[in-house]
Amino acid sequence: EPEVTQTPSHQVTQMGQEVILRCVPISNHLYFYWYRQILGQKVEFLVSFYNNEISEKSEIFDDQFSVERPDGSNFTLKIRSTKLEDSAMYFCASADPDGAYEQYFGPGTRLTVT
Amino acid sequence: AQTVTQSQPEMSVQEAETVTLSCTYDTSESNYYLFWYKQPPSRQMILVIRQEAYKQQNATENRFSVNFQKAAKSFSLKISDSQLGDTAMYFCAFMKRPGAQKLVFGQGTRLTINP
Repeated sequence: EPEVTQTPSHQVTQMGQEVILRCVPISNHLYFYWYRQILGQKVEFLVSFYNNEISEKSEIFDDQFSVERPDGSNFTLKIRSTKLEDSAMYFCASADPDGAYEQYFGPGTRLTVT
Repeated sequence: AQTVTQSQPEMSVQEAETVTLSCTYDTSESNYYLFWYKQPPSRQMILVIRQEAYKQQNATENRFSVNFQKAAKSFSLKISDSQLGDTAMYFCAFMKRPGAQKLVFGQGTRLTINP
């Protein structure tokens, strides 16, 4: 069964450093999302992406964040200058209109900012 | 804006028992989907069940079923014959329609199935 993959599974970085989280969505999906989950809290929407542009973004998704689909298969989330409060689990998801836009999640990347 | 509320932070039942997790939501939309996601200790988000708001019939998936009360904006999940592998965080989520929209999650319910 096709699945969403994410790399790395765990990333440790120092405050102020740039990080790039990578996702490979399911191949025929057209809609892509990033969510984050701070430990012990609920899952929060960050951004959605369709047709090579951002469809919607949340208040969390400020100028420090950016997304890109550089090569037609990968979908990346970049945090330019990490803060301690960026420490969280980051989930990528993808959806297909033929599947009633049901979102399939990747296993997540745990980001730890020290 | 939509909100999703899960009022039970934690629940615990014995294996083989039936358990019901509660979820309420607030929206002015008439066309939407509701979901239950399971998050085991591995933290992978796994879709359990989906309900389309325009369908009156409650969704079922094997041991999992929902009680969807549209007027009351209530969407509970019933797990029958619970198994140890059902131990996980369960999140209720809302998605407005049409098209591909974001998921709005509740705070989650931590369910523990005891042997």
